[in-house]
Amino acid sequence: DIVMTQSPLSLAVTPGEPASISCRSSQSLLHSNGHHYLDWYLQKPGQSPQLLIYSTSNRASGVPDRFSGSGSGTDFTLKITRVEAEDVGVYYCMQTLQTRTFGQGTKVEIK
Amino acid sequence: QVQLQGSGPGLVKPSETLSLTCTVSGGSVTSYYWSWLRQPPGNGLEWIGYVNYNGNTNYNPSLKSRVRMSIETSKNQFSLTLTSVTAADTAVYYCARLGVQGLIGHAYYHSLDVWGQGTTVTVS
Repeated sequence: DIVMTQSPLSLAVTPGEPASISCRSSQSLLHSNGHHYLDWYLQKPGQSPQLLIYSTSNRASGVPDRFSGSGSGTDFTLKITRVEAEDVGVYYCMQTLQTRTFGQGTKVEIK
Repeated sequence: QVQLQGSGPGLVKPSETLSLTCTVSGGSVTSYYWSWLRQPPGNGLEWIGYVNYNGNTNYNPSLKSRVRMSIETSKNQFSLTLTSVTAADTAVYYCARLGVQGLIGHAYYHSLDVWGQGTTVTVS
């Protein structure tokens, strides 16, 4: 299995400030088609997860442009340019190159 | 707008079989791939597998010997069966759609874009 490791595991952010979450995979997520197979999800308190980013850097439908994803090989990053109160929850990365596996999650709270 | 509603027993005895159903509304189960995931209490997410509109399946190898997924087109539902359950199978079980997000490198890219509300299952 591909092991996904996120850091930090928790993050407290002042509204309006940026936030960054790292996700590292135990092997490259580069597909033979030249793209990296990694998604980001947000699970808001008491809710089911929701798709934020697919294939490393593509925002899902309806996702605000303050969210962005980047990375290559085994290192990926989710950035929020200006955190809002509605962004609290647990963020998960998930690789889709092989049998899907998730990171442990990063809990984002508001200061 | 597609919505998913999971249902099934909230309590299952050890060694017995867990059976869950997900009803699709606002769309047809004969399109797309349909997935199951779970989240043990206080823990992260685990992929269980998917079933597609043709009934083809793909399971997590760690659960493969105990898992079965199927589609019931007449009821617009898909289902999960997990046999020989233990306390370690206690979790919130989610059904989700693996929807096409776009063409990525000339291949259709699928992500979990619609989720059910989650069904809590306790093995005890």
